[in-house]
Amino acid sequence: EAQVTQNPRYLITVTGKKLTVTCSQNMNHEYMSWYRQDPGLGLRQIYYSMNVEVTDKGDVPEGYKVSRKEKRNFPLILESPSPNQTSLYFCASRQSLQETQYFGPGTRLLVL
Amino acid sequence: DQQVKQNSPSLSVQEGRISILNCDYTNSMFDYFLWYKKYPAEGPTFLISISSIKDKNEDGRFTVFLNKSAKHLSLHIVPSQPGDSAVYFCAAYSGAGSYQLTFGKGTKLSVIP
Repeated sequence: EAQVTQNPRYLITVTGKKLTVTCSQNMNHEYMSWYRQDPGLGLRQIYYSMNVEVTDKGDVPEGYKVSRKEKRNFPLILESPSPNQTSLYFCASRQSLQETQYFGPGTRLLVL
Repeated sequence: DQQVKQNSPSLSVQEGRISILNCDYTNSMFDYFLWYKKYPAEGPTFLISISSIKDKNEDGRFTVFLNKSAKHLSLHIVPSQPGDSAVYFCAAYSGAGSYQLTFGKGTKLSVIP
C-alpha cells in the first residue's frame, strides 16, 4: 500500500529538548515536504526536498532542520523546541512537481 | 501576505444540495491549482486539480472552475453528502520549477442530513 508514515503521532516535550519527527514514504517519490497546520493559518510549508541531499526552505523554516540522506526518509529536527512550535505537522511526498501530493497522518506536537 | 485566500472559514449545506467553496489568489504566477480535503486526525487528501490553461475540470460530483482574470477558483460538490463534511484547502503552485505549494487557510464544510 502506497503511504507516507510519520512517527511519533503524538509528542509532548519541554522547551529546549531536541526532538526528531521521522517521515518515510514507500513510493520512491523524489519530492518531500514538511508542513505545519495551525488554527486560522492553514498549512504552511516548513522545508522541502527535491531529491537526496537537496533541500530548501519553505515559508516558515525558522527553528527547524531537515535532512535527506535517503530517498524514502525526510526527518524533521527541532534542535531547541519552543512553545510556538506547538502545532500539527504533516509530511508529504510526490513523484513530480504537479503530481498528486500524498500526506502522512500528522504528528501533533506540544512544547511546554 | 496571504497569496491564497479562502475567506469563508465555514459553510453549512443541506444534503443533496450544491456546496460551493471559493478561493481567491493574488500571485499571478500561480498556474496550477489543487483542492485537498481533510478529515480530523488524518492528513489532507488530494481531491481535484486544474491547470491555468483550463477553466473547468470535473471528476464525478466534484467540479473546479477557474477564472484567471478574477484570480478566483471555486469547488462545486453536487450533490453534497454527509461524508463530504471536512475541511477543504485550496492550494497553488507557481510555474515550472516551483517546489512550493501555497495553501489557503481552509473552509470547514458541514453537510446536514
